[in-house]
Amino acid sequence: EVQLLESGGGLVQPGGSLRLSCAASGFTFSSYAMSWVRQAPGKGLEWVSSISGSGGSTYYSDSVKGRFTISRDNSKSTLSLQMNTLRAEDAALYYCAQNSAGMPVADGALFDYWGQGTLVTVSS
Amino acid sequence: EIVLTQSPGTLSLSPGERATLSCRASQSLRSRQLAWYQQKPGQPPRLLIYGASTRATGIPDRFSGSGSGTDFTLTISRLEPEDFAVYYCQHYGTSRTFGQGTKVEIK
Repeated sequence: EVQLLESGGGLVQPGGSLRLSCAASGFTFSSYAMSWVRQAPGKGLEWVSSISGSGGSTYYSDSVKGRFTISRDNSKSTLSLQMNTLRAEDAALYYCAQNSAGMPVADGALFDYWGQGTLVTVSS
Repeated sequence: EIVLTQSPGTLSLSPGERATLSCRASQSLRSRQLAWYQQKPGQPPRLLIYGASTRATGIPDRFSGSGSGTDFTLTISRLEPEDFAVYYCQHYGTSRTFGQGTKVEIK
């Protein structure tokens, strides 16, 4: 059974930093591209970032490019998102998601499995 | 960037009725790279449909997807109590964008 468990959310001041983690289990982690998707309170879904199975290719939405960094440790089956220079509009529930197999990460992202999310609050 | 517009914003129906949800893209979607997700309160989204019309594993056949080009539809043939939720369409090509969602609520 695929399990994705996010952690690291919390309250941070505008301009601050936070690092999210996602512990994966139940599948061969290195064989799948992974992504972060966020959802502001009461709002819709927004793709944030994706990374290839090897970690060699990364993709970001325009709204976070240059501020967020996605990475993975395949030896520990862990996905991470380093978030710097946080803004009020970054406040959201951040989901870790497994990309569908067979779709090159450069071509897009279809999400087969999702974690429960970790909440990021940006406020002074 | 491809923009997806879902309609209606809210659909008020009774159990047993048919639900028809629309998703319109700002430009034609190559290879019908359109997915539908269901999200219930306090839960993450669940993949229902991909490729515009292929049901994901374990999805009941009362859910069906159709469409091509710029116009796509999710149909729930007979609403079950557990189907009342918010539904999102997604272009899973390079834009990776989601629609704003349609809430299906109990009338």
